[in-house]
Amino acid sequence: QQQVKQSPQSLIVQKGGISIINCAYENTAFDYFPWYQQFPGKGPALLIAIRPDVSEKKEGRFTISFNKSAKQFSLHIMDSQPGDSATYFCAASRTGANNLFFGTGTRLTVIP
Amino acid sequence: DTGVSQNPRHKITKRGQNVTFRCDPISEHNRLYWYRQTLGQGPEFLTYFQNEAQLEKSRLLSDRFSAERPKGSFSTLEIQRTEQGDSAMYLCASTNRAYNEKLFFGSGTQLSVL
Repeated sequence: QQQVKQSPQSLIVQKGGISIINCAYENTAFDYFPWYQQFPGKGPALLIAIRPDVSEKKEGRFTISFNKSAKQFSLHIMDSQPGDSATYFCAASRTGANNLFFGTGTRLTVIP
Repeated sequence: DTGVSQNPRHKITKRGQNVTFRCDPISEHNRLYWYRQTLGQGPEFLTYFQNEAQLEKSRLLSDRFSAERPKGSFSTLEIQRTEQGDSAMYLCASTNRAYNEKLFFGSGTQLSVL
């Protein structure tokens, strides 16, 4: 049973465009929603995270939008660059839990 | 901060053999996690240590798997009698309370069971 569902599986965006990746969850106890970026041969690295007390969080070109009632959250990458080409994972957990539930990943390719 | 170190980076073994992986977390991190990642999937939680105590194990962690963190520093993950289905990337992550749930992952050990 997939705790966090992620789409699309892959995404191709032109340089300068906006990349949008979506995730949905079922467990209303989740209260921490990070996005991790993974390059080939490397472990995931935290990109940005949000908690349900806000509907949006922005860090540089990266923005998380959070819809608590719909149990959905998304990552927006503005002005996408070839260096952003990587696999992106959404995840979710609840405070006090020791495990993070990851989505299945989105492979982003930004073409020059 | 030298990052989380995992060794070996790659391991090829024959079915039925035992393998052991090592993880050296960031030095001031008291929390250590093992995750498993298969091709095209996100990481899946295996187990969690706080200092030397193993506080949580996933149901994914069959009795062929054992993890230790004897002195609260490095950790080892052993798989006995490996099966082809064990082929995956084994990721270690560490953190401490100051980082507010941010996990620092190593580059993983890629296991191939032939």
